[in-house]
Amino acid sequence: GEDVEQSLFLSVREGDSSVINCTYTDSSSTYLYWYKQEPGAGLQLLTYIFSNMDMKQDQRLTVLLNKKDKHLSLRIADTQTGDSAIYFCAVPPYNTDKLIFGTGTRLQVFP
Amino acid sequence: DVKVTQSSRYLVKRTGEKVFLECVQDMDHENMFWYRQDPGLGLRLIYFSYDVKMKEKGDIPEGYSVSREKKERFSLILESASTNQTSMYLCASSPRGSGTNEKLFFGSGTQLSVL
Repeated sequence: GEDVEQSLFLSVREGDSSVINCTYTDSSSTYLYWYKQEPGAGLQLLTYIFSNMDMKQDQRLTVLLNKKDKHLSLRIADTQTGDSAIYFCAVPPYNTDKLIFGTGTRLQVFP
Repeated sequence: DVKVTQSSRYLVKRTGEKVFLECVQDMDHENMFWYRQDPGLGLRLIYFSYDVKMKEKGDIPEGYSVSREKKERFSLILESASTNQTSMYLCASSPRGSGTNEKLFFGSGTQLSVL
């Protein structure tokens, strides 16, 4: 089945860029997603990219997709303390409505 | 905006008790899901439902059952709670149909502790 992997922790200084990486195994996914979970809350959809794109930019967020290497990344420019959260990538297995989530990357932003 | 409401934010139960976790969504979504979240393991799918009275096993259904009698409500049942079911439980819903039908809307979660 689908396997989605992320590193567990990332620590950055306020104002720097953050890059959160994700690898997956199923190459037939249509959309790939990034979710954000703030402390004590459920997950919120942050952004998503269609599989025929290699980049999507949305204000401070840039999503890069390398389909050949099955690698997805989320770049946050000018990282702020409010960006501290757990970030999950999520991939739907072929022909299902399910989402398979990565382990989540806890981003800590320090002043 | 879609609202997914989980009935309890925190719950403490004893081993062997029957536990009900309730979830209600207000956007007429066909799909509903139950995940559990554990540190270092991410989210794991327990059960899901594509329609009323339909249910499908996810990746870790053992020890759980579900009920979907109405479209807006999806209940997770722990028949006999055990300490290894201490976890954060997240309910989610999504519409069925278009290409982004996997886009999930989550509730705030229920932190269940089984003593």
